[in-house]
Amino acid sequence: SQQGEEDPQALSIQEGENATMNCSYKTSINNLQWYRQNSGRGLVHLILIRSNEREKHSGRLRVTLDTSKKSSSLLITASRAADTASYFCATDEIGNGNKLVFGAGTILRVKS
Amino acid sequence: KAGVTQTPRYLIKTRGQQVTLSCSPISGHRSVSWYQQTPGQGLQFLFEYFSETQRNKGNFPGRFSGRQFSNSRSEMNVSTLELGDSALYLCASSRVLDREAFFGQGTRLTVV
Repeated sequence: SQQGEEDPQALSIQEGENATMNCSYKTSINNLQWYRQNSGRGLVHLILIRSNEREKHSGRLRVTLDTSKKSSSLLITASRAADTASYFCATDEIGNGNKLVFGAGTILRVKS
Repeated sequence: KAGVTQTPRYLIKTRGQQVTLSCSPISGHRSVSWYQQTPGQGLQFLFEYFSETQRNKGNFPGRFSGRQFSNSRSEMNVSTLELGDSALYLCASSRVLDREAFFGQGTRLTVV
């Protein structure tokens, strides 16, 4: 079963615009990870944010985490056509070993 | 540093047959997890192995099994294949402490 929801389910933007995706979850977590997937291929790890962190940056990516609201957001700035992919959040729940619980994903399309 | 390697990349099997998928984790990673991805159910956790021991198991029938070898390589086996087992099977490896999980390209299994 999937822990939470991602919002929106699909997003279409123009190249150069920013894209924001949101993720909600239900339980206490050790960390939350964001992944990208191109056309049913493997998952590419983007960023991990720990439960005691509020914001993290990596290149054009900015991730925030609000544990009180059990939500996270992924911002991709100055998007490129190559960013077109599905994006998933995954939570590492406390006491659950290395099991990741994935959201349903957001399909991002960047038009050039 | 080599990434997670999954073999084979594609498989076509007939209902009732069994299949074995292989995963070689990133060097130094001792935890290996398996996930099933389908359009209907999304990404679902199958099981996790650490030091040759299964630490966690998802809600899948006993037809799904796995093991891990002393070199951390892992295999998963699905017996008595059903049409609904058609999916992308993903393997992830991680160290113990920071828990970033890195995925392979997956094995696309089609059951006919």
